[in-house]
Amino acid sequence: NAGVTQTPKFQVLKTGQSMTLQCAQDMNHEYMSWYRQDPGMGLRLIHYSVGAGITDQGEVPNGYNVSRSTTEDFPLRLLSAAPSQTSVYFCASSFRDSSGYTFGSGTRLTVV
Amino acid sequence: QKEVEQDPGPLSVPEGAIVSLNCTYSNSAFQYFMWYRQYSRKGPELLMYTYSSGNKEDGRFTAQVDKSSKYISLFIRDSQPSDSATYLCAMSAEASGTYKYIFGTGTRLKVLA
Repeated sequence: NAGVTQTPKFQVLKTGQSMTLQCAQDMNHEYMSWYRQDPGMGLRLIHYSVGAGITDQGEVPNGYNVSRSTTEDFPLRLLSAAPSQTSVYFCASSFRDSSGYTFGSGTRLTVV
Repeated sequence: QKEVEQDPGPLSVPEGAIVSLNCTYSNSAFQYFMWYRQYSRKGPELLMYTYSSGNKEDGRFTAQVDKSSKYISLFIRDSQPSDSATYLCAMSAEASGTYKYIFGTGTRLKVLA
């Protein structure tokens, strides 16, 4: 099915570990973003990309890296996990930056 | 003050009721307004998308934007138990050459059978 695919769905990390959250879309969307969702905080933008090879920081970028080598893939790397990064992470894509997003199903990350 | 304010609820209504969900905002530069529905442990799903002021209808859903009051609404007619979810408003304005989205924190809706 067309859409945004995120892996893994669940992950538990120890403080200081690193990992990569995967995101792939098959809709040929140029615009992709990573959000984290925390209770009472809503969705907050971590990083975004307006096309292959172009990325920029969002509202809460510290502790995260991204790259966009292809239109389809937009992985999010946690460099050294901290308990404050316990959250639900959503990847989203859109045809252009002013159109509505298609979201993935999320990755639930717990850092202990 | 947050740029986008949304009552967290929960809002409980009987099946068949008309539901009104609302968001207020402070940034007059917002141009695009969206409503997303999010079921528990799922990703948000785009419901309605409007540009500038006015109304937009899609089946049982109507979105209204009042830019003069900085207020947007989502109405759900003949509400069903399957409408029970969290509803997120979102809006965007151009900044540094691209559009940035701001999301509300969501209103949890329960439709009782």
